[in-house]
Amino acid sequence: DAGITQSPRHKVTETGTPVTLRCHQTENHRYMYWYRQDPGHGLRLIHYSYGVKDTDKGEVSDGYSVSRSKTEDFLLTLESATSSQTSVYFCAISDRGENNQPQHFGDGTRLSIL
Amino acid sequence: KQEVTQIPAALSVPEGENLVLNCSFTDSAIYNLQWFRQDPGKGLTSLLLIQSSQREQTSGRLNASLDKSSGRSTLYIAASQPGDSATYLCAFPRSSASKIIFGSGTRLSIRP
Repeated sequence: DAGITQSPRHKVTETGTPVTLRCHQTENHRYMYWYRQDPGHGLRLIHYSYGVKDTDKGEVSDGYSVSRSKTEDFLLTLESATSSQTSVYFCAISDRGENNQPQHFGDGTRLSIL
Repeated sequence: KQEVTQIPAALSVPEGENLVLNCSFTDSAIYNLQWFRQDPGKGLTSLLLIQSSQREQTSGRLNASLDKSSGRSTLYIAASQPGDSATYLCAFPRSSASKIIFGSGTRLSIRP
C-alpha cells in the first residue's frame, strides 16, 4: 500500500470552530489532492497541489484553504466549520500528470460538524 | 456539461461468474479514464487507467475497455470471487484539468 496517512481519522466539532486535516505521504509524489465524499454527490475535488507552495482550487473550494510547505504534507483547513462541511475527506497523491488523475488514496477522515 | 452514469447501481452475483460493469459519459473528448474500487470505510484503490489513445487495459482478471465514440467504458471481471465485493467507480478529467468527474459507483456483491 502507498504510504499515505490522514489524521485525524475521526473528528467531531462544533459549528464555527477551525479544523485542520493533515495528509502525510512517504512516496515523494508531486501531486496531492483533497476530496470530499458525500451521498448523492460522490467524490468532489476541493483543492490540489502540484508542488511545494503550489496549490489550486477544485470544484468545491469555498470555505476551505490548503497549504503545502513540504513535499510530504498537505493540510486542509476549514476556517470556520459549518454543518454542510460534514463529510468524509480523502487525500490522494499522484506522481503522474495524467490530467490530475489521482493515483493513491488515504483511508479518509470522517468529520462531523454539529 | 459532462455527465457520467454507472449502471447498475448495485449488482449481486454468485462466485465464479464473469461480469461487466458500465460507465457512460456524455462527452467523447476525454483524455483518459480510470477505474477504482472502494472497500467500506476505505479510500479508493486504482485498478486500471486507460489513455484516450488506447482501447483497453488488462490487469489479472480485470479488463477495462474504452470506446470514446459511444461514450462508454466497461470493466470486465472474470471468475469473480468474494474478495471482489466492493464499490467500483470510474473517473475522468473534464476539459479543465482541476476537475475530475467520478461516477457514483456500482456496489458489487459476490456471493460465496
